Amino acid sequence: RKEVEQDPGPFNVPEGATVAFNCTYSNSASQSFFWYRQDCRKEPKLLMSVYSSGNEDGRFTAQLNRASQYISLLIRDSKLSDSATYLCVVNMIPSGTYKYIFGTGTRLKVLA
Amino acid sequence: EPEVTQTPSHQVTQMGQEVILRCVPISNHLYFYWYRQILGQKVEFLVSFYNNEISEKSEIFDDQFSVERPDGSNFTLKIRSTKLEDSAMYFCASSEGLQGASNQPQHFGDGTRLSIL
Repeated sequence: RKEVEQDPGPFNVPEGATVAFNCTYSNSASQSFFWYRQDCRKEPKLLMSVYSSGNEDGRFTAQLNRASQYISLLIRDSKLSDSATYLCVVNMIPSGTYKYIFGTGTRLKVLA
Repeated sequence: EPEVTQTPSHQVTQMGQEVILRCVPISNHLYFYWYRQILGQKVEFLVSFYNNEISEKSEIFDDQFSVERPDGSNFTLKIRSTKLEDSAMYFCASSEGLQGASNQPQHFGDGTRLSIL
């Protein structure tokens, strides 16, 4: 099983649609989870951390399912500017030190 | 907003030469990282660095690579005897490193594109 796995997509959705991505991780003891977005040939930018109870930031909602070892990202009311690659990031070390592993990313295209 | 800065933005080097990539992390951050991204592939963890020593490293980070914090602000990645397959975008990142905090988001620089000829 890959350490962090994502569906590469692309997901092509119309403006205003709701879209969801999942990401699975292999280490059941992992404690830190994040979603980043990456635009073509740019650096990853933090979208949101993922907390155990789930968290929301505007149109974006992140969830963690420890039993099934996956995290999810929901984007509501998609905008053209949401078109990017969404990267799932997991710290594979349970505590104290940091070894962040990235998924391959899921490409999203929001269409007018 | 404070940011991570990387220099140069693009480095072209002959195969077999040594290259040093430079980064200035955010000033109050304690943890520093290097990643690479080969064109069209995923972001790969190379190394994390804390308290002037390597904290974690990946299988990619072999004897060809080394990191250093030569002064209070710079964090460098040295690649000795570069190979064609070292061509990639190299990202530096930093995080606060708060004791006991599990979620430590990283902030990335905009990368150095390394081209080995």
